Amino acid sequence: GAGVSQTPSNKVTEKGKYVELRCDPISGHTALYWYRQSLGQGPEFLIYFQGTGAADDSGLPNDRFFAVRPEGSVSTLKIQRTERGDSAVYLCASSGDHPSYNEQFFGPGTRLTVL
Amino acid sequence: AQSVTQLGSHVSVSEGALVLLRCNYSSSVPPYLFWYVQYPNQGLQLLLKYTTGATLVKGINGFEAEFKKSETSFHLTKPSAHMSDAAEYFCAVSQGDSSYKLIFGSGTRLLVRP
Repeated sequence: GAGVSQTPSNKVTEKGKYVELRCDPISGHTALYWYRQSLGQGPEFLIYFQGTGAADDSGLPNDRFFAVRPEGSVSTLKIQRTERGDSAVYLCASSGDHPSYNEQFFGPGTRLTVL
Repeated sequence: AQSVTQLGSHVSVSEGALVLLRCNYSSSVPPYLFWYVQYPNQGLQLLLKYTTGATLVKGINGFEAEFKKSETSFHLTKPSAHMSDAAEYFCAVSQGDSSYKLIFGSGTRLLVRP
């Protein structure tokens, strides 16, 4: 079956603009995660969804960042008033019901560049 | 707080040589430990994981890792490097009630020389 997909693969925007990044998880996976990977660094946790609800959003850096998963499948990461420091690769992952035991499957990421 | 340290941002080996990528972690409780590989323009792929039980874990593509609690290490090895192993490798840890939250090291880029 298809893996995790993310769109767009690349996004270039100007400082101050609003962006939306989309994640389509593996069909049937109830858990969904967003991570951010800055240049030369490992991924950093942003938020974890179990179904439609955000079970842990402690990694979101500030209130400009918001994520939704209204139907428990596709998720959108929204960034308001983008800043140059938001430039990074945003990774989405999904897994089965019990994330302790289930592998997180990662998408290829969306590379965001804020000019 | 948990953290992961990967010694060596770049490692270069000859084809056929031993691969050793180092990972040390800090954790106040028994951790879950992972190694992921990232090829260019592709998502992270799980190589292997340790949760409980046997401390020597075998993964895909001939890789294995050993959990050493006394050394707080989880080094990744492969007896004989192949050109296709060239990629970036990430060690990660999670624990306890937040076991869904992977804490990654900064990665090690493996170069395989012909």
